[in-house]
Amino acid sequence: DGGITQSPKYLFRKEGQNVTLSCEQNLNHDAMYWYRQDPGQGLRLIYYSQIVNDFQKGDIAEGYSVSREKKESFPLTVTSAQKNPTAFYLCASSIRHSLLGTSDSYEQYFGPGTRLTVT
Amino acid sequence: KNEVEQSPQNLTAQEGEFITINCSYSVGISALHWLQQHPGGGIVSLFMLSSGKKKHGRLIATINIQEKHSSLHITASHPRDSAVYICAVSDPNKNTDKLIFGTGTRLQVFP
Repeated sequence: DGGITQSPKYLFRKEGQNVTLSCEQNLNHDAMYWYRQDPGQGLRLIYYSQIVNDFQKGDIAEGYSVSREKKESFPLTVTSAQKNPTAFYLCASSIRHSLLGTSDSYEQYFGPGTRLTVT
Repeated sequence: KNEVEQSPQNLTAQEGEFITINCSYSVGISALHWLQQHPGGGIVSLFMLSSGKKKHGRLIATINIQEKHSSLHITASHPRDSAVYICAVSDPNKNTDKLIFGTGTRLQVFP
């Protein structure tokens, strides 16, 4: 079955440790995204990648790093520089859709998420 | 003020009721997305639309580009519809699908 997998579902770390969250997709999508979700707030974009070996910062990239060495994989590292790392992290990928009368838009497919708790 | 506003924030309903969730946005968009997030956290895309109306089963999404407003309707609601419904818009100024998200509407449907 095609889809996006994230692992692990729950992750616990001590403050000061770096931690890497996994995201894999077998949908053959070019673009991949990392979002952070906090209670009462909308999803916020951390990093995105439109193609292998290329990625851009999103709205809240400080304290995070990513790599895109393979089309299928887009791991996110939460570094010790991230001040409030405890959150729910969602990975997504997208395929291009052409909508009649508009510029092209992309539908995003989401993974199941990783809940990170740092104490 | 958020660029994407949803109302209501919380909604409770009895099984069988007709439900409407509203989304207003203040930016230009190339498309509007309705997403569903279940208690486990995973998100599913319900609709992507740029004009008019789309229907899938008991779900209907409409958009009015001039008024910058969209609605998600659920007919004959069921407890399994209980979830958070998120509105998001695509930024047309970038050649990527950077989405701007609303904060979501939490729906609970009781039997």
